Amino acid sequence: GAVVSQHPSRVICKSGTSVKIECRSLDFQATTMFWYRQFPKQSLMLMATSNEGSKATYEQGVEKDKFLINHASLTLSTLTVTSAHPEDSSFYICSAELGTSGRVTDTQYFGPGTRLTVL
Amino acid sequence: AQSVAQPEDQVNVAEGNPLTVKCTYSVSGNPYLFWYVQYPNRGLQFLLKYITGDNLVKGSYGFEAEFNKSQTSFHLKKPSALVSDSALYFCAVRDEGYSTLTFGKGTMLLVSP
Repeated sequence: GAVVSQHPSRVICKSGTSVKIECRSLDFQATTMFWYRQFPKQSLMLMATSNEGSKATYEQGVEKDKFLINHASLTLSTLTVTSAHPEDSSFYICSAELGTSGRVTDTQYFGPGTRLTVL
Repeated sequence: AQSVAQPEDQVNVAEGNPLTVKCTYSVSGNPYLFWYVQYPNRGLQFLLKYITGDNLVKGSYGFEAEFNKSQTSFHLKKPSALVSDSALYFCAVRDEGYSTLTFGKGTMLLVSP
């Protein structure tokens, strides 16, 4: 149980284009999903918290107009990288929180990640 | 504020030997602690968590972790390492007043045959 999928797993795009990444909780409902970015050999950097039916909460330094997050249902959150540039190239990982109570004891389950390369 | 430290970038152990991956934390309230493992080019897999109760927590794949409040530590352990355990391990903490997880920088575990 507690499976999270991401699509696509890998994407290569040209500079200036937009890329959408989907994150789905397959066997549970998630009120809260999270989007992380990971650079090579580094830890995860939280970008934003996505709550179903409301606006995402972005971490300091993350451009909300560049990284658009939509959490339209309890099983789907999307991250759109708008006008992508080479510096946006990274490994993007989403997670979904098992439980709808928003308790701090809830476990986050992670997707397999999306490798974005912007040429 | 909440923070996690993983003091070792890499841990090397021979197959069949016990392994320990260290983690210390800092929180202002009660800590909720998690261990995750990441294989190359993959997302994180949940191993175990400490919420309350027994200080020794058992998790997936034979891993366990010991919560030590006085030393603010939550070290990951396994009695007998396998080559397939080689991966990147992350410790994470959530303070009772926070909604987000804070991750350590990760420790690469290399198990040699």
